[in-house]
Amino acid sequence: SAVISQKPSRDICQRGTSLTIQCQVDSQVTMMFWYRQQPGQSLTLIATANQGSEATYESGFVIDKFPISRPNLTFSTLTVSNMSPEDSSIYLCSVETGAYGYTFGSGTRLTVV
Amino acid sequence: AQTVTQSQPEMSVQEAETVTLSCTYDTSENNYYLFWYKQPPSRQMILVIRQEAYKQQNATENRFSVNFQKAAKSFSLKISDSQLGDTAMYFCAFMKHHAQGGSEKLVFGKGTKLTVNP
Repeated sequence: SAVISQKPSRDICQRGTSLTIQCQVDSQVTMMFWYRQQPGQSLTLIATANQGSEATYESGFVIDKFPISRPNLTFSTLTVSNMSPEDSSIYLCSVETGAYGYTFGSGTRLTVV
Repeated sequence: AQTVTQSQPEMSVQEAETVTLSCTYDTSENNYYLFWYKQPPSRQMILVIRQEAYKQQNATENRFSVNFQKAAKSFSLKISDSQLGDTAMYFCAFMKHHAQGGSEKLVFGKGTKLTVNP
């Protein structure tokens, strides 16, 4: 299965600033998925990133707040913009590994103060 | 839209004993996949076991097995001979089958926090 390197593993940010999270996959994948996990909660899909096209966002998430880049088949970034304390969460990227499920990055724990 | 329900927010079990985590789901799809993921404190999501809806045989992976009841839309996880390292959040997840072989999103339940006591 694919191996994903996700950076940073954690960060503490000031409100109003932005943070960019990176995911590097060791193989080419068509789609990458970005999830948010709020404290004590389950995972919620933010958007799906397809190489060469704009990301598709789920209801409740907008591009201005969570811009995504997908410059090639092995890399993607998620930016959390104009952060507020409500953005404090774990953010995870994921790729499909066929019907065997999905592989996840190790997550980025974001704290906004 | 698909929904996944895990009715047990927390559970505990003694080491070496057996525990069953419950999961029910709602869907109008006929072809789909079900998964159990484990998230230890390290927060890494780890695939425990998966089940294809078209297979009647329940999936097993070493100490982990499922009881898949398609008509009842139930997908429980049984952990046998529980070990301290099994302590984690367990998430049940649903993925519908993509007819053209593309990717589909995972829909997660709220999770069950399992503690294995020595």
